[in-house]
Amino acid sequence: DTGVSQDPRHKITKRGQNVTFRCDPISEHNRLYWYRQTLGQGPEFLTYFQNEAQLEKSRLLSDRFSAERPKGSFSTLEIQRTEQGDSAMYLCASSRRDRYNEQFFGPGTRLTVL
Amino acid sequence: GNSVTQMEGPVTLSEEAFLTINCTYTATGYPSLFWYVQYPGEGLQLLLKATKADDKGSNKGFEATYRKETTSFHLEKGSVQVSDSAVYFCALSGYSSASKIIFGSGTRLSIRP
Repeated sequence: DTGVSQDPRHKITKRGQNVTFRCDPISEHNRLYWYRQTLGQGPEFLTYFQNEAQLEKSRLLSDRFSAERPKGSFSTLEIQRTEQGDSAMYLCASSRRDRYNEQFFGPGTRLTVL
Repeated sequence: GNSVTQMEGPVTLSEEAFLTINCTYTATGYPSLFWYVQYPGEGLQLLLKATKADDKGSNKGFEATYRKETTSFHLEKGSVQVSDSAVYFCALSGYSSASKIIFGSGTRLSIRP
């Protein structure tokens, strides 16, 4: 399977704990995106990378959130001091730079903060 | 800012019925328009897209036409199947290098046998 993969698929944590999610994009894609989807809503953009450079961050990405893509391949999204409001599905997508409109999504990581 | 408004669900239809899910958008310039589908337990998939006015996107029997004059991109299918049961998202991306996609809130479609 050469699609976008995310790990873990589910994460349950207690309020105040830190969590980290991983995304592996399609191998030839140099753009990688993170979105957040809450129940009954469409995904909302969080941030994106072109290769290892983080080029845009949404206002939704508070200072408790940090994303990295150190070698321009996989990416991690860390949430520090989790809050119940962080409970959501975190989606990763990737695309080729010259076909940025065609974003391919992973299955998501569902985070539940107790 | 850019935004997408789509028909609220849930929508329940009988098999072989005609489907329309309405979508309108607000954007500056000439956005690209999309319909994504999320089947139960699966990730988001691009269903179809249109990149300029009057373009028609089509896939799996679904169609949508980019109407700039009415800022709409309604999804249609002539005869739905039980397997079409899913959540459908209308979306757009602006003409910029950022290329983030802005999604509507989704419409849940259920098809009765």
